[in-house]
Amino acid sequence: GAGVSQSPSNKVTEKGKDVELRCDPISGHTALYWYRQSLGQGLEFLIYFQGNSAPDKSGLPSDRFSAERTGGSVSTLTIQRTQQEDSAVYLCASSYSNQPQHFGDGTRLSIL
Amino acid sequence: RKEVEQDPGPFNVPEGATVAFNCTYSNSASQSFFWYRQDCRKEPKLLMSVYSSGNEDGRFTAQLNRASQYISLLIRDSKLSDSATYLCVVTRTGGSYIPTFGRGTSLIVHP
Repeated sequence: GAGVSQSPSNKVTEKGKDVELRCDPISGHTALYWYRQSLGQGLEFLIYFQGNSAPDKSGLPSDRFSAERTGGSVSTLTIQRTQQEDSAVYLCASSYSNQPQHFGDGTRLSIL
Repeated sequence: RKEVEQDPGPFNVPEGATVAFNCTYSNSASQSFFWYRQDCRKEPKLLMSVYSSGNEDGRFTAQLNRASQYISLLIRDSKLSDSATYLCVVTRTGGSYIPTFGRGTSLIVHP
């Protein structure tokens, strides 16, 4: 079946612009997670959704970052007024309950 | 103490060698454990779950030691294609399931 789909695959934008990243999880997966990973670094947890609600937003690095999930499916991660330190790979994963997560290919974000 | 800790390595081994990684976790309420593999500039992919009784999948063996709060991954007869970063994942339950990832252990298998 279809895996986790993320778009765009790559995004290059100028500092100060807003960006929107999309994640389409595996059908039926109730949990959805956003992470980011800088080159050579580990995964940094950003936010988690159970259904449409986000019980844990503790990982969002600043108020420029927000995320939503609608219909228990697609999620968007929005970064406003991007800064160069936002450059990273943004990974989305989904799972059913406490089963293993399945990751998308990621969005490679570059801020010029 | 970090919630999940791994030796970053790199572990540099010849083809055919046996290599083992450990991962320690601090939260005794942890209930689910997994090993993921991440290739350079790729997303993490599930390698195997870790069960209390230990489990094997081909050349890979995973074990859990709840008393000492660590999990291990043993790779026998290493292949060049095993070169990757191996991530330990620990999940707590109780309302929400937020897996915690270790920073990963780098393995390099050379000819």
